[in-house]
Amino acid sequence: NAGVTQTPKFRVLKTGQSMTLLCAQDMNHEYMYWYRQDPGMGLRLIHYSVGEGTTAKGEVPDGYNVSRLKKQNFLLGLESAAPSQTSVYFCASGQAYEQYFGPGTRLTVT
Amino acid sequence: GENVEQHPSTLSVQEGDSAVIKCTYSDSASNYFPWYKQELGKRPQLIIDIRSNVGEKKDQRIAVTLNKTAKHFSLHITETQPEDSAVYFCAATARGNTPLVFGKGTRLSVIA
Repeated sequence: NAGVTQTPKFRVLKTGQSMTLLCAQDMNHEYMYWYRQDPGMGLRLIHYSVGEGTTAKGEVPDGYNVSRLKKQNFLLGLESAAPSQTSVYFCASGQAYEQYFGPGTRLTVT
Repeated sequence: GENVEQHPSTLSVQEGDSAVIKCTYSDSASNYFPWYKQELGKRPQLIIDIRSNVGEKKDQRIAVTLNKTAKHFSLHITETQPEDSAVYFCAATARGNTPLVFGKGTRLSVIA
């Protein structure tokens, strides 16, 4: 039981490049979330999903897209990376109220 | 929507002393209040939570209290140890299928 995993752990992008972050969970959770964490800003919700095939916008969705084609996976896409998207990205999953976080992806956009 | 304020943003205590972190929330419908601990370079981890039908919950050296009338809840850590040094986040939500709203975090330093 791996819990919540994220791929990759680190990535450096140039401005304008695209990439996809993968979140996977093996706990059969219905809900999945993507957050970004910046110094002094806490955890800010980007997008979330309440079930397979559903997605919804969070607090800071601009510049990101998501997909939940399979219950266990939640993908976060950056179509055209900007330096403002330099951050640590955390995925989380949960069945009801509790949320369990993945180890994070550190993304740098130069 | 829900808004969660957390204070203080930084807190330093001597080893063995107690630490208290407070959060206020705006949505009176909120009924679930977790606390997460995040060590440097690690993921946030759930350490304790409380639901609105309970006023206090304890787990060894940590406790959470909830005042629904005043719409605030607090994390209490007693007999602090250096390994308690971390960033602590509070959160709130009103329903199980709505995301948690997090406070901005408190950086706790326990000085040996």
